[in-house]
Amino acid sequence: DTAVSQTPKYLVTQMGNDKSIKCEQNLGHDTMYWYKQDSKKFLKIMFSYNNKELIINETVPNRFSPKSPDKAHLNLHINSLELGDSAVYFCASSHKPLPGTLYNEQFFGPGTRLTVL
Amino acid sequence: GIQVEQSPPDLILQEGANSTLRCNFSDSVNNLQWFHQNPWGQLINLFYIPSGTKQNGRLSATTVATERYSLLYISSSQTTDSGVYFCAAQAGTALIFGKGTTLSVSS
Repeated sequence: DTAVSQTPKYLVTQMGNDKSIKCEQNLGHDTMYWYKQDSKKFLKIMFSYNNKELIINETVPNRFSPKSPDKAHLNLHINSLELGDSAVYFCASSHKPLPGTLYNEQFFGPGTRLTVL
Repeated sequence: GIQVEQSPPDLILQEGANSTLRCNFSDSVNNLQWFHQNPWGQLINLFYIPSGTKQNGRLSATTVATERYSLLYISSSQTTDSGVYFCAAQAGTALIFGKGTTLSVSS
């Protein structure tokens, strides 16, 4: 199936641990993103990345770092996990813009529910 | 940055009813998307609609970019339509989401 996939689907861990969430897309897209959905279901961008540029939302703590081994993958590493990091994390991707446009449609993965105890 | 507001925040319908969800955005946008987050948490793309009108089955959407709003129409609602509907607009590097409309359809 062509899609954006994430692993794991659920992640339960202790405060202070370091963890990673993996994201892969087989859509041939150029740009990938990480979004965070909080307990009130509010979705907010964390990072956007293509092979040229990483753009970080200034509100994201530097304990969070995206790492892209290749165009099809954008993993999220989180150091020193805190209770407030509990949320659902969504990976997304999009193709480069069509001629005459600035952006293109984004497609989302199934999400990873992170619980920090 | 751009602000995205959705209304109503909650909507309760009987099966078979029609509804209109609204999305207002504060600035010019170059990408406008509607999503359905189902009860299992998946974000499903409904429409990519920076301007104009599109239809897909019982759903349709209209974006009037010059007046900075978009509408999502759901006709003959079904219980499977329940969930949260998000509008998201892009004028920079990523989508800015509204707070969503929670739709409950009962049989």
